[in-house]
Amino acid sequence: EAQVTQNPRYLITVTGKKLTVTCSQNMNHEYMSWYRQDPGLGLRQIYYSMNVEVTDKGDVPEGYKVSRKEKRNFPLILESPSPNQTSLYFCASSRTSHYNEQFFGPGTRLTVL
Amino acid sequence: ELKVEQNPLFLSMQEGKNYTIYCNYSTTSDRLYWYRQDPGKSLESLFVLLSNGAVKQEGRLMASLDTKARLSTLHITAAVHDLSATYFCAVDITSGTYKYIFGTGTRLKVLA
Repeated sequence: EAQVTQNPRYLITVTGKKLTVTCSQNMNHEYMSWYRQDPGLGLRQIYYSMNVEVTDKGDVPEGYKVSRKEKRNFPLILESPSPNQTSLYFCASSRTSHYNEQFFGPGTRLTVL
Repeated sequence: ELKVEQNPLFLSMQEGKNYTIYCNYSTTSDRLYWYRQDPGKSLESLFVLLSNGAVKQEGRLMASLDTKARLSTLHITAAVHDLSATYFCAVDITSGTYKYIFGTGTRLKVLA
């Protein structure tokens, strides 16, 4: 089954404790992206990657890191989480063709205390 | 500032009625996307509109794009309860950056 998977789905952590949210897709998509969803703000793009070893900042990259060492994986790293990073996070992937609708993962709900 | 604005933000409508959700965007873009999100779930793609004048229809939903006016509409015909969800539009900033701006979403509730 074609899908985007994220782990963990739920995470409660404390300020300053480094964490990684994994994202993996099995559709051989070139493009992957991370978003955060907050009430009243819609989805905001954090980082995206056009292909392996190619990443770029979205609208809200501060406090986040990403890497793209393999085509299928695009982990999101919070080196020192803070309470304002409490949010619902979605990973997405797509082809880089003209018709590039994104396929979203199930989401990771993160709470930083 | 690059913006994508949707209105209304909340919409409560009776089954069988018609309504339109509007999506205005401030940047030049030839590609506009509509997504649906059910409560507690992820987003799924509804429509991809690739050029001025594009119209797509799926069931009771029809989306259109006017790039000159920087406006897309999502029209709901004879609403049914199953259409209750949050609908997002998103634009892909041009020049091949694949950087996306999403609207804040329209929460639709269809009442029986």
